[in-house]
Amino acid sequence: EADIYQTPRYLVIGTGKKITLECSQTMGHDKMYWYQQDPGMELHLIHYSYGVNSTEKGDLSSESTVSRIRTEHFPLTLESARPSHTSQYLCASSEFSGSNQPQHFGDGTRLSIL
Amino acid sequence: DAKTTQPPSMDCAEGRAANLPCNHSTISGNEYVYWYRQIHSQGPQYIIHGLKNNETNEMASLIITEDRKSSTLILPHATLRDTAVYYCIVRSGNQFYFGTGTSLTVIP
Repeated sequence: EADIYQTPRYLVIGTGKKITLECSQTMGHDKMYWYQQDPGMELHLIHYSYGVNSTEKGDLSSESTVSRIRTEHFPLTLESARPSHTSQYLCASSEFSGSNQPQHFGDGTRLSIL
Repeated sequence: DAKTTQPPSMDCAEGRAANLPCNHSTISGNEYVYWYRQIHSQGPQYIIHGLKNNETNEMASLIITEDRKSSTLILPHATLRDTAVYYCIVRSGNQFYFGTGTSLTVIP
């Protein structure tokens, strides 16, 4: 069973605030990912990382930034939240070895910007 | 990029087998097929994946056609807790492309 944790699960906050969404995994996975998902819609990759000090942008343009200082930790930051950032954010991780390893997901953070 | 096509919704009677189809006609030779499911308000849960051969685990079976252009996920004895959106995914490079999936409703 995958052990990947996201906090907070729910966040309601005002426009202009700086927000950091936390994601941690205890499996020692090198690869980590952030997805954005609107209700009833597909997931869109916004950021990913191959390992420490590695970060890349995904397909979906995002105003968020990420960092990877430790293997187990991959936080996502919004410097100034706007209502358009309202969405669910999902974190995932996978092993680096082999090209066929599945991704394991956390339960997500549901973010509402007022 | 290889993409997938799934029916938007299906029903299945509780206790019966649920067979969820997926078309991936543009799949290339080294691309795996993955299945996930998502229950409302939770993150996607990994179910199974395969390349060519049929696969089975404690959750489900995956049947891949010989030409690899389609596959079927089989839940052998569906329960009410299997009600979820099921995603069939063909990985492309570093990215998993989740479509809108099949919403499976298990009926008592």
